[in-house]
Amino acid sequence: GENVEQHPSTLSVQEGDSAVIKCTYSDSASNYFPWYKQELGKGPQLIIDIRSNVGEKKDQRIAVTLNKTAKHFSLHITETQPEDSAVYFCAATFKAAGNKLTFGGGTRVLVKP
Amino acid sequence: EAGVTQSPTHLIKTRGQQATLRCSPISGHTSVYWYQQALGLGLQFLLWYDEGEERNRGNFPPRFSGRQFPNYSSELNVNALELEDSALYLCASSWGLQITNEQFFGPGTRLTVL
Repeated sequence: GENVEQHPSTLSVQEGDSAVIKCTYSDSASNYFPWYKQELGKGPQLIIDIRSNVGEKKDQRIAVTLNKTAKHFSLHITETQPEDSAVYFCAATFKAAGNKLTFGGGTRVLVKP
Repeated sequence: EAGVTQSPTHLIKTRGQQATLRCSPISGHTSVYWYQQALGLGLQFLLWYDEGEERNRGNFPPRFSGRQFPNYSSELNVNALELEDSALYLCASSWGLQITNEQFFGPGTRLTVL
């Protein structure tokens, strides 16, 4: 079935340290993996995405890696800042379910100054 | 450019009543998605509309329904409300049918069922 597991559910880091969030998916045909950031009282916002033909993508302090063989992908945030505190969601497409996005359960990240 | 807007911000209903939630997509976007975000949980896909047609539906009972109007705005209806329907309902819009097109989310409607 369609399933995206996300770990950890909460993550507390010291300002300046790195944060890593990992997701695994069940559909080997999945080909699109976005990451969303949700701040308090707001809707999720896309921060980075990766397609299945790419193994890694970077955008300033944020990077995403994809391991298609193991069916997992990760979000890396370097030099964390207080404004990185939010809930982060990974997602994956599931063609067998009519090509829709399935989201992970979310990771609450707290960056301590 | 205006983002995705949703109304109302908050909605309080009692069990058994009906709720109607509204969404206006970003100008030019033809696809509208609805998600349910229960407390402490991730986003659960509800419905996807594009060009007035229902394109996909999540694993929710038929009392969750909706429609998309000619101006691409959308409405989500929840009939026979149950306590567990209490959640944040998020609407997102994107351009075109490709699932890989970025989905832009609104701030959500907080539905409370008493």
